[in-house]
Amino acid sequence: AQSVTQPDIHITVSEGASLELRCNYSYGATPYLFWYVQSPGQGLQLLLKYFSGDTLVQGIKGFEAEFKRSQSSFNLRKPSVHWSDAAEYFCAVGARSGGGADGLTFGKGTHLIIQP
Amino acid sequence: DADVTQTPRNRITKTGKRIMLECSQTKGHDRMYWYRQDPGLGLQLIYYSFDVKDINKGEISDGYSVSRQAQAKFSLSLESAIPNQTALYFCATSDGKPGQGANGELFFGEGSRLTVL
Repeated sequence: AQSVTQPDIHITVSEGASLELRCNYSYGATPYLFWYVQSPGQGLQLLLKYFSGDTLVQGIKGFEAEFKRSQSSFNLRKPSVHWSDAAEYFCAVGARSGGGADGLTFGKGTHLIIQP
Repeated sequence: DADVTQTPRNRITKTGKRIMLECSQTKGHDRMYWYRQDPGLGLQLIYYSFDVKDINKGEISDGYSVSRQAQAKFSLSLESAIPNQTALYFCATSDGKPGQGANGELFFGEGSRLTVL
């Protein structure tokens, strides 16, 4: 079964600074990978996804992520954060094939705080 | 209107009561899911359904049951609610796994916050 680790429970970044949120996955083959964002009181919104091809993927709101197979990582980045980026961020992994539970497996989330 | 609608959005109930959370979708997706979110634990899969005749347990199904009344409707029930079922519950839909001609993305409702006293 696949699993996801988000090592940072909380991250505090100054407005205008760059951001990197870490995500490591465990899966026996090439997974498909997602980053979702959850603003307070809201559901989850997809930021970006990786299925195949170019390992650097662009998403909404100026976010990007890079799939690194050798490191089993899919870190999320943004060059300059805005106060509106304060939210909970979830990395998720899905299995490409086989039986067992369907759906995505989520990390425990990283809470992003933006300092003025 | 939202593509995935959950009702109620908030509910407070007492231990031992039966509770039903409802989910309807206009995405036309066959696959529907119920997740539970607890602070610091992320989202955990409760049940999922590939169609009205195919329902499967997720990783934390004990204490829950589901009903897939139609392609567009998927309900989650707590037959006898207990305090540790206090959580935020999300319904989601998907058109299947990538590589099978599908998008693979999960589309979420806005959540149902349940408090069991």
